[in-house]
Amino acid sequence: DQQVKQNSPSLSVQEGRISILNCDYTNSMFDYFLWYKKYPAEGPTFLISISSIKDKNEDGRFTVFLNKSAKHLSLHIVPSQPGDSAVYFCAASENDYKLSFGAGTTVTVRA
Amino acid sequence: KAGVTQTPRYLIKTRGQQVTLSCSPISGHRSVSWYQQTPGQGLQFLFEYFSETQRNKGNFPGRFSGRQFSNSRSEMNVSTLELGDSALYLCASSRGQGGYNEQFFGPGTRLTVL
Repeated sequence: DQQVKQNSPSLSVQEGRISILNCDYTNSMFDYFLWYKKYPAEGPTFLISISSIKDKNEDGRFTVFLNKSAKHLSLHIVPSQPGDSAVYFCAASENDYKLSFGAGTTVTVRA
Repeated sequence: KAGVTQTPRYLIKTRGQQVTLSCSPISGHRSVSWYQQTPGQGLQFLFEYFSETQRNKGNFPGRFSGRQFSNSRSEMNVSTLELGDSALYLCASSRGQGGYNEQFFGPGTRLTVL
């Protein structure tokens, strides 16, 4: 049973504009959320995380928002750059237990 | 510092065979986790090893097994291969066990079962 869902398999955005990636989860016990980025032929790399005690975390061009009541988180990339073209995975952990990943969203940044 | 390495990078097997995949973690990392990535399913957690002990296990059949050695290197074994086992197998290492620790992924082993 997929506890972390990324309902948009792909996203295309113009360079310089905002990319918004969405993630929904069903397990209300998740207390730590992460985003990973994956280029072809490489393993995923950690991008940004947020604890359930926060609703926003920012790191440069990347901001993650958490809405616990809606069981929803989003990743904003501003401004989007060609190098951001990759697959983005949302992941969540309950009580420091294993990570549960979403299916991924492929982002394409158009020049 | 060297990253996580996985061998082999590509593998082709036939149904019914068995396969062993290897993962060398980043030096100093004691936890190794294994994931299966298939299109549309994302990364599915297989198991996590910490200090040679399996700490967590995902919902995979017993044909999937693993182990960790005293130098933290880990192997994953799949017996009686099925067509549905074709996937990218990723391993990730971290200093500590559990989901709070940042995981560093290797490039994966692409397994094709014919």
